[in-house]
Amino acid sequence: DIVMTQTPLSLSVTPGQPASISCKSSQSLLHSDGKTYLYWYLQKPGQSPQLLIYEVSNRFSGVPDRFSGSGSGTDFTLKISRVEAEDVGVYYCMQSIQLPPLTFGGGTKVEIK
Amino acid sequence: QVQLQESGPGLVKPSETLSLTCTVSGGSVSSGSYYWSWIRQPPGKGLEWIGYIYYSGSTNYNPSLKSRVTISVDTSKNQFSLKLSSVTAADTAVYYCARGHYDILTGSPPGGMDVWGQGTTVTVSS
Repeated sequence: DIVMTQTPLSLSVTPGQPASISCKSSQSLLHSDGKTYLYWYLQKPGQSPQLLIYEVSNRFSGVPDRFSGSGSGTDFTLKISRVEAEDVGVYYCMQSIQLPPLTFGGGTKVEIK
Repeated sequence: QVQLQESGPGLVKPSETLSLTCTVSGGSVSSGSYYWSWIRQPPGKGLEWIGYIYYSGSTNYNPSLKSRVTISVDTSKNQFSLKLSSVTAADTAVYYCARGHYDILTGSPPGGMDVWGQGTTVTVSS
């Protein structure tokens, strides 16, 4: 199984300040088709997860441009350029290059100071 | 736009079978561009992928649950379903259905899940 490790476990951020979450995979997520199968989700309190970023760095429809994804191989980062109150929740990374099983990171909880 | 809605009993007795259905609206489970997945989240914990089904009926299950899981699709009702047998308290969770992108003809891996249901809470208790 590919293990997805997220850091930090939690983050307390002042509104307007940046935030960064790391995700490391136990194997490369780069496929021979040239795509990297790494995704980022946000689960807001009491809601289902919502897709933020697909294939490392592509923002999903409707996702604000303050969210950006980067990385390659086994190391990935989600950045929020200026955190807003609506960004609170738990962020998960996920891989789908090798399954079963499809695996998620343990999650990073973001809260507002 | 596509919407997914989970339904099923909220309480299941230990050793019995958990059965949930996901109804798809605004789209078709028969589309060859997607897979249809189940994911669960125990109280206060992270996300666990259970498995998925492709419109053709081909499935892929989490090995940790494979012996107890069956996912099926009913194209006439535009639904797909989850059955989890021999449940215990450890199966208590919010269960989500979701749609993911998958073009099986390309040979590429399935993509991420872009549409999720609101989730349904299932408690295993006598």
